[in-house]
Amino acid sequence: QLQLQESGPGLVKPSETLSLTCTVSGVSISTSSYYWVWIRQPPGKGLEWIGSVHYSGRTHDNPSLKSRVTISVDTSKNHFSLKLSSVTAADTAVYYCARPRVWNDALDIWGQGTVVTVSS
Amino acid sequence: EIVLAQSPGTLSLSPGERATLSCRASQSVSHNFIAWYQQRPGQAPRLLIYGSSSRATGIPDRFSGSGSGTDFTLTISRLEPEDFAVYFCHQYDGSHTFGQGTRLEIK
Repeated sequence: QLQLQESGPGLVKPSETLSLTCTVSGVSISTSSYYWVWIRQPPGKGLEWIGSVHYSGRTHDNPSLKSRVTISVDTSKNHFSLKLSSVTAADTAVYYCARPRVWNDALDIWGQGTVVTVSS
Repeated sequence: EIVLAQSPGTLSLSPGERATLSCRASQSVSHNFIAWYQQRPGQAPRLLIYGSSSRATGIPDRFSGSGSGTDFTLTISRLEPEDFAVYFCHQYDGSHTFGQGTRLEIK
């Protein structure tokens, strides 16, 4: 059964880099033609797409996050990762990883989410 | 970027009633690439509808989606107690954007 699990520090200091990993179990990232996705949700607010990565390394990022986002994939560890640089309090959110039904479609498998707080 | 506007912000209804939630896009969404999600407190979103009108696996048939172009609707025909939650629409026509959500609360 396919499962996604986010992991990483729950507290990051302002101006530092947030780093999260999404471990995929139940299917190989490299044999599946999907764009794996990062989404976030600030407290009490809606959902924001951060970016997507294909196992080949191709990525699509949200332009509103400009050049702060780096998304990568490690097929040997069957996981994909998110780095968000120069964080501020506005980056405090629940971060989710997700998989689309197919390719770059609606998101039918989600991780449970991980809370990241930006504070000194 | 396609902006999605959901209405109403909050909908107050009773179990057994019919709920109609709206999602309007700032420009036409190709191939009706619109999805709807349900989110309960403390949980990840759950996919209900994709392609504007197709139910995801395991979703009860009281949930239905419709619409094309810029106007889309999620209908819940007879509300069950577990349906009271927040609902988001999502467009995946190239990039991804989400509506701000509709909170469905018990009247």
